[in-house]
Amino acid sequence: DTGVSQDPRHKITKRGQNVTFRCDPISEHNRLYWYRQTLGQGPEFLTYFQNEAQLEKSRLLSDRFSAERPKGSFSTLEIQRTEQGDSAMYLCASSRGLLAPREQYFGPGTRLTVT
Amino acid sequence: AQSVAQPEDQVNVAEGNPLTVKCTYSVSGNPYLFWYVQYPNRGLQFLLKYITGDNLVKGSYGFEAEFNKSQTSFHLKKPSALVSDSALYFCAVRVLYGNNRLAFGKGNQVVVIP
Repeated sequence: DTGVSQDPRHKITKRGQNVTFRCDPISEHNRLYWYRQTLGQGPEFLTYFQNEAQLEKSRLLSDRFSAERPKGSFSTLEIQRTEQGDSAMYLCASSRGLLAPREQYFGPGTRLTVT
Repeated sequence: AQSVAQPEDQVNVAEGNPLTVKCTYSVSGNPYLFWYVQYPNRGLQFLLKYITGDNLVKGSYGFEAEFNKSQTSFHLKKPSALVSDSALYFCAVRVLYGNNRLAFGKGNQVVVIP
């Protein structure tokens, strides 16, 4: 169990640019989640995959945001035309997909700063 | 809607004293509750969860949590705090029919004073 990894750890970009983040979940986990965390707040749900299928998206996920998990393994989160309000920590988590509520394991996050 | 509330922004405790971090919940149906800890520049680490069964749940690093249905609370506790326990603590609830996604509280900063 090598844990959830995210890349990059930090990203500074200018307003209007596109950015893409990558998440590698724990290998046997078929569920993958993206959350966003701003200073002084808890993580807020963005989107969820079961295997390669994106099953739920938050209203927080505007049309500028897109996420993929093409082979049911790693996932990418892309933000187009970034805005200063997109500055946050983007967290990825994974879990097993069994019936009982399972804990999610989080990666270290990608901190995005939009200037 | 499923939600949790963490009423205190910061908890200060002397090293060696008992530590309590408070959480109350609001759910429809059975509550599935979690505690996570976040250290600076690191992701959230799972501490413990309540699904069903005993009201006292034991978790990692000597932490435990007490589920109280009548008070709709799920307080995190540690009998003797360590300086290394200084971190940000989050309570979370599984969102009903939400594909197991979690709704988090705003977090509590715990400061353990040597």
